[in-house]
Amino acid sequence: AQTVTQSQPEMSVQEAETVTLSCTYDTSESDYYLFWYKQPPSRQMILVIRQEAYKQQNATENRFSVNFQKAAKSFSLKISDSQLGDAAMYFCAYRVDSNYQLIWGAGTKLIIKP
Amino acid sequence: DAGVIQSPRHEVTEMGQEVTLRCKPISGHNSLFWYRQTMMRGLELLIYFNNNVPIDDSGMPEDRFSAKMPNASFSTLKIQPSEPRDSAVYFCASSFAQSYEQYFGPGTRLTVT
Repeated sequence: AQTVTQSQPEMSVQEAETVTLSCTYDTSESDYYLFWYKQPPSRQMILVIRQEAYKQQNATENRFSVNFQKAAKSFSLKISDSQLGDAAMYFCAYRVDSNYQLIWGAGTKLIIKP
Repeated sequence: DAGVIQSPRHEVTEMGQEVTLRCKPISGHNSLFWYRQTMMRGLELLIYFNNNVPIDDSGMPEDRFSAKMPNASFSTLKIQPSEPRDSAVYFCASSFAQSYEQYFGPGTRLTVT
């Protein structure tokens, strides 16, 4: 069965510091996509970053970057220079190539300390 | 560009009443998804449309739930009759094709008393 696990229910970080959120997944597929979504208190689900499994290079979007370890089935999100606006629930999600179904992790609540 | 638009943002209704949630996908997207989010069950896919046709409705809880997509720019999710256990946040999402990333609307918070 395909599963996504986020082992950290809650994380906190001091403003301007760096934090890493963990995500592992279980699959027998070779072609797939991984995503990080952010859900702030406004509850809107916002796509933060995506990673194609066939790409060795880790995806980066401004202060957000991933550490994709395909063999270990690990997909962590690093947030640099944390800002108060980064406070949110962060969800990791997985999708097999050519499929619409997203498999979701349980989420990690990120708290930013001023 | 306008994102996915959902209405209403909040809905409070009494048990037994009909509830209709609305969604306008991003222009040019041909895949539309309805999700429900609760603390207990997380994010659940209710139904998926491709080119206005329902492809997968296996996530629809029961016959009280129905969804339609009469054209490429509009979809509804209806609950009739509503029950307190239907209280949740309902999201609509769209994508360019089924294989592309999904973009979510702001959600509708439904409270059934």
